[in-house]
Amino acid sequence: GDSVTQMEGPVTLSEEAFLTINCTYTATGYPSLFWYVQYPGEGLQLLLKATKADDKGSNKGFEATYRKETTSFHLEKGSVQVSDSAVYFCALKNNNDMRFGAGTRLTVKP
Amino acid sequence: GAGVSQSPSNKVTEKGKDVELRCDPISGHTALYWYRQRLGQGLEFLIYFQGNSAPDKSGLPSDRFSAERTGESVSTLTIQRTQQEDSAVYLCASSLARGVRDTQYFGPGTRLTVL
Repeated sequence: GDSVTQMEGPVTLSEEAFLTINCTYTATGYPSLFWYVQYPGEGLQLLLKATKADDKGSNKGFEATYRKETTSFHLEKGSVQVSDSAVYFCALKNNNDMRFGAGTRLTVKP
Repeated sequence: GAGVSQSPSNKVTEKGKDVELRCDPISGHTALYWYRQRLGQGLEFLIYFQGNSAPDKSGLPSDRFSAERTGESVSTLTIQRTQQEDSAVYLCASSLARGVRDTQYFGPGTRLTVL
């Protein structure tokens, strides 16, 4: 069945460092891909999404490109801030079926 | 309301008791999902409702779990004879429709602790 594998955490970075959180997927057909973020004490929020190959999703300085050839959707940010500390979930949606990765906890230190 | 709401936000119960968790989706959203998030783990799909169609119950872990939804409104997830392994955050999400491009919007979750 469909599945998502993302980089294990926790990840700890200094402020202004470059961030990459890897995400790869296995799916039949043409899924949509998502990154969700869960800030401390809050619910899951959509961060960005891409619905077809080569699409780039972006929001709040974060970017991810839907790469069908490598079945990847890696999350990147050029300069992280303390406020980016959260758990990040990669997800795919195929028909009405949604699959999430295990989540990657990011801590950004000042 | 503006977003998905869930109640209660926290629930502590004794092993063997039944619990009911409520989800109010975004108005107009026809699709509604329930997930379970155990500590330190990813989201585990439980059940999916789409309009008046029969729900997809394929993720329910046992017959102690059930859910209902009236039309396109409130949903209730019921766990009977709770066990300690049921302790988790239960998340509800809704989306406009069932299409592959439709984004799910999540509620804040209900943290269930079974003593």
